[in-house]
Amino acid sequence: KQEVTQIPAALSVPEGENLVLNCSFTDSAIYNLQWFRQDPGKGLTSLLLIQSSQREQTSGRLNASLDKSSGRSTLYIAASQPGDSATYLCAVGAIKAAGNKLTFGGGTRVLVKP
Amino acid sequence: KAGVTQTPRYLIKTRGQQVTLSCSPISGHRSVSWYQQTPGQGLQFLFEYFSETQRNKGNFPGRFSGRQFSNSRSEMNVSTLELGDSALYLCASSPHGGEGEKLFFGSGTQLSVL
Repeated sequence: KQEVTQIPAALSVPEGENLVLNCSFTDSAIYNLQWFRQDPGKGLTSLLLIQSSQREQTSGRLNASLDKSSGRSTLYIAASQPGDSATYLCAVGAIKAAGNKLTFGGGTRVLVKP
Repeated sequence: KAGVTQTPRYLIKTRGQQVTLSCSPISGHRSVSWYQQTPGQGLQFLFEYFSETQRNKGNFPGRFSGRQFSNSRSEMNVSTLELGDSALYLCASSPHGGEGEKLFFGSGTQLSVL
């Protein structure tokens, strides 16, 4: 059974500092890994999608890496801003799961202090 | 292009009642998935529908059911509500429901059971 873990559960940084968020998964047989952002009481906004054949994806200040063999992904957010405060979730699409079912980590709650 | 639309945004029900939630996917998307999000369990997969057929189901009791219409809109129903059913219910759509496809989430329906 695929398990996804995100550590730490919460993180607080001063504005301008780079953010490093970690995600680990137990089964390397995945189609892809997706990073989401969630604001309180809201839905999920997709940030980056990394296919299993890729090593990283970049979008603006965001960069996500994927190491399937070690079961790890890292989301980097450069020069953090107060608007980056949110919960960040990673999710994997496992090959053994039918269809496009995602298995989510518990999330990392980020606070960027002005 | 409009995003995934979920209605209603908030619901308050009492134990024993039933509830129906609605999800309209992005135009052209044929796969709709439902997830339950609670503080204790995080995001958990409920079920997925594709072309009006349930293709995948998570580990939830039979009180949770759903359906999909010919226009790809989906509804989920929870009967005999329990306090533990209080959660944010999220709907996601994708074009073909294929493995590894990117999912697009709605803003969710916040259900409170009193």
